[in-house]
Amino acid sequence: EIVMTQSPATLSVSPGERATLSCRASQSVSSNLAWYQQKPGQAPRLLIYGASTRATGIPVRFSGSGSGTEFTLTISSLQSEDLAVYYCQQYNIWPPYTFGQGTKLEIK
Amino acid sequence: QLHLQESRPGLVKPGDSLSLICTVTGGAISGSNYYWGWIRQPPGRGLEWIGSISYSGSTLYNPSLNSRATISVDTSQNQFALNLLPVTAADTAMYFCVRDLAHHDVLTGQLQSGWFDPWGQGTLVTVSS
Repeated sequence: EIVMTQSPATLSVSPGERATLSCRASQSVSSNLAWYQQKPGQAPRLLIYGASTRATGIPVRFSGSGSGTEFTLTISSLQSEDLAVYYCQQYNIWPPYTFGQGTKLEIK
Repeated sequence: QLHLQESRPGLVKPGDSLSLICTVTGGAISGSNYYWGWIRQPPGRGLEWIGSISYSGSTLYNPSLNSRATISVDTSQNQFALNLLPVTAADTAMYFCVRDLAHHDVLTGQLQSGWFDPWGQGTLVTVSS
């Protein structure tokens, strides 16, 4: 099973600033990585798949990069509505699909 | 627009069976080459994939469930279901149904893995006596 590790556990960023979230895989997952946003009390929502492709309707301030074992989700200019927990998920070697433990993004 | 909605079983006793149904609207399960899955999230914790099923009934499961999970599909009702038996307090969680973008490659027939989109709103299942 591939273990996904996200850092930091909590990130506090001011509105308008850049937020950078990291995800590391225990072995290469190529570009088979997705990112999800889970706002309080809601279901997760797909943000990024294929490591860097934005899902339909996702604002351009969200971008993904990386391949192999190191990945990054960047929010270029943080908005107050971006308060959420963000999860990465690998789908390269399965079953099982595996998720990271999440990064909680707080607004300063 | 595709929409998924979980049933609401609420409270389940330890040792009993947990049964959930996901109703799909806005698209036919049988008309899709994708899979359909279940994911759970214990209170305050992360996400765990339980398993997925194709419209024809092919299934994939997370080995961590130790064969306790069974997923089935009813294309006539446009629904798929999860059965988990026996349950313990550790199975207390929010359960989400999802479309799993896994699919069979049209040229090779090989199963390709995928991501999850969309998600149902989730249903909280509490296991307690």
